Amino acid sequence: EVQLVQSGVEVKKPGESLRISCKGSGYDFTRNWIAWVRQMPGKGLEYMGIIYPGDSETRYSPSFQGLVTISADKSSNSAYLQWSGLKASDTAIYFCARRVSSTWYSYFDYWGQGTLVTVSS
Amino acid sequence: EIVLMQSPGTLSLSPGERATLSCRASQSVSSSSLAWYQQKPGQAPRLLIYGTSSRATDIPDRFSGSGSGTDFTLTISRLEPEDFAVYYCQEYGETFGPGTKVDMK
Repeated sequence: EVQLVQSGVEVKKPGESLRISCKGSGYDFTRNWIAWVRQMPGKGLEYMGIIYPGDSETRYSPSFQGLVTISADKSSNSAYLQWSGLKASDTAIYFCARRVSSTWYSYFDYWGQGTLVTVSS
Repeated sequence: EIVLMQSPGTLSLSPGERATLSCRASQSVSSSSLAWYQQKPGQAPRLLIYGTSSRATDIPDRFSGSGSGTDFTLTISRLEPEDFAVYYCQEYGETFGPGTKVDMK
């Protein structure tokens, strides 16, 4: 059974750093891209970027380039989303998702349960 | 960059009724790249439809997708109580539309 399990709730102060994780199981983690998606309180889904754990190739949405860092460790079947200086506006639920893709199609077939990040002084 | 627009923002219907949700792209997209997701409160999104019209695993056949070019539609033929949720379209595994909330009248 394919599963993506994310790390738990985080409460941080502005300016602090943070790394959240997404651990895959039930499939070859190196063979599918992993995406990160933000959902701010009461709002819709925003695509942040993706990583290919096989070689750590990473692509960012222009809206998130330079604001976060996406990484992966194929030895532990984990992908990460990292901030170096959190802001209150980073308060959101963050989802990871497995991407199925080819030249013609791309979609997210499995999702993590989400990680709630709250940034408040 | 492709922008997706969804309408209506909210659809108020009763169980048993038909729901028709629209997703319009700012420029023509490949029909193989359009997907739909369902999200219920407190839950992760769930893939419903990929490639415009292919149902994902275990998705009931009351859900169907259609469209081409810039105009795509998700249809729920007869709403069940568990179908009241927010629905998002997505283009090529990146851009999401703003969502349509289907709530109970």
